[in-house]
Parts: sequence; C-alpha cells; structure tokens
Amino acid sequence: DIQMTQSPPSLSASLGDKVTITCQASQNINKYIAWYQQKPGKAPRLLIRYTSTLESGTPSRFSGSGSGRDYSFSISNVESEDIASYYCLQYDNLPYTFGAGTKLELK
Amino acid sequence: QVQLQQSGAELAKPGSSVKISCKASGYTFTSYAMHWIKQTTGQALEWTGYIAPGSGGTKYNEKFKGKATLTVDKSSSTAYMQLSSLTPVDTAVYYCARYSQTTEGIVSPFAYWGQGTLVTVSS
Repeated sequence: DIQMTQSPPSLSASLGDKVTITCQASQNINKYIAWYQQKPGKAPRLLIRYTSTLESGTPSRFSGSGSGRDYSFSISNVESEDIASYYCLQYDNLPYTFGAGTKLELK
Repeated sequence: QVQLQQSGAELAKPGSSVKISCKASGYTFTSYAMHWIKQTTGQALEWTGYIAPGSGGTKYNEKFKGKATLTVDKSSSTAYMQLSSLTPVDTAVYYCARYSQTTEGIVSPFAYWGQGTLVTVSS
C-alpha cells in the first residue's frame, strides 16, 4: 500500500495568511493526488484533483503543486470559511490512501 | 443533481453485524462504482472498497476483507455495506462516495459523498 505522509498535523494561521500543507507518498503517484476540505460533521469536499486542477466552485486562493512523491497544497489569503481539516488522497493505485489530515485553526 | 442518501446511525453490540445503505439519485446508478470510506473519531480516512453496480463486481481493501461486504439493489439504486463480527475498533462514520467523470474522461475522485452513517459498537 502507498503511504501518504501529510504534514503538519495542525496549523494556526491569521486571516490573510498563506498556509501550505505537504504530502509525501511512499512511491511515485504520477500526480494522482487530490485534496479535500472537511468541516465538522460534514463529508469531505473535493477541492483539487490531479495535483493542481481546481474543481468547479473551488476558490482561486487554493492551489496545488508537485510531482513524483512530493506534493503541496496552499491557501493564500486565508479566510474564516477556510477553517477546517484538509486531507490528501492518492488515487494512483489501489488501495486508495489518504493522508492523516491537517487541522487549520485561527491564530 | 447527484445525491447519495445514507441510512441513519446504528448502535450495535460486539460480535453482531450491521448493514448500512446508500441510496443514489440524480444519475444512472449502474454507470459509476460506489466506494465506501471509513472515518474514525481520530479523523483518519480509509478506503474500504468499491462495488460496480452494473456487474456486482467488487474490490476490497485487504484490510477490510472479511469485515465488509458490499452489495447493491439495482431496482432501488441502493448500495449496501454490511459490517460483520463488530468490535469497538469498527466504531466510525462510514461514507459512500462516487467519482465523477466528464465525457472527455476526466476523473474527479470522490466528487460526491453521502452524509455519512455513524456506527457505534458498544455493549
């Protein structure tokens, strides 16, 4: 199974900050990484697929990049509605595997 | 619009089984695999497996073989996951989820989710 090492586990930011989350795969995942946002009591919401493609409705302050084993996800100009947990997913190989998550909090 | 409506919370005793459902609407049920994902209270997400409703074919995460059984009822566009021999470690929220795919073949993984079903295993 491909392991997804996501960091940091938590992040504290002020409104307007830029934050970055990273995921490292245990092997090359050929850019098949997606990023999800989850708010308490809700299902995850797909924000980005295939490393950097924003899903319809995802604000442009969200972005993703990377290749091979190393990927990152950023939010520029953090807004209050971005306070949530974020997860990466590799969908290159079965079993699909998620990162452990990053909880974004307001400083 | 695509909707995945899951059944309500379950409280089960250790050693028993539960069967949770996911009713799909807004699309042709047999056109997309239905995936199931476990989320523990520690927030970890685990892909459990998927079922192809048209053929009934399944693919399981090895970790969940023998634990989860996926089935569908095409007549009601409903997918089911049965969890057997329950123990407290099975306590989690279980989601059904579906990919989306454009006519050009562009895939968005788990673009649609049910609202989740909480399964609590306790004596």
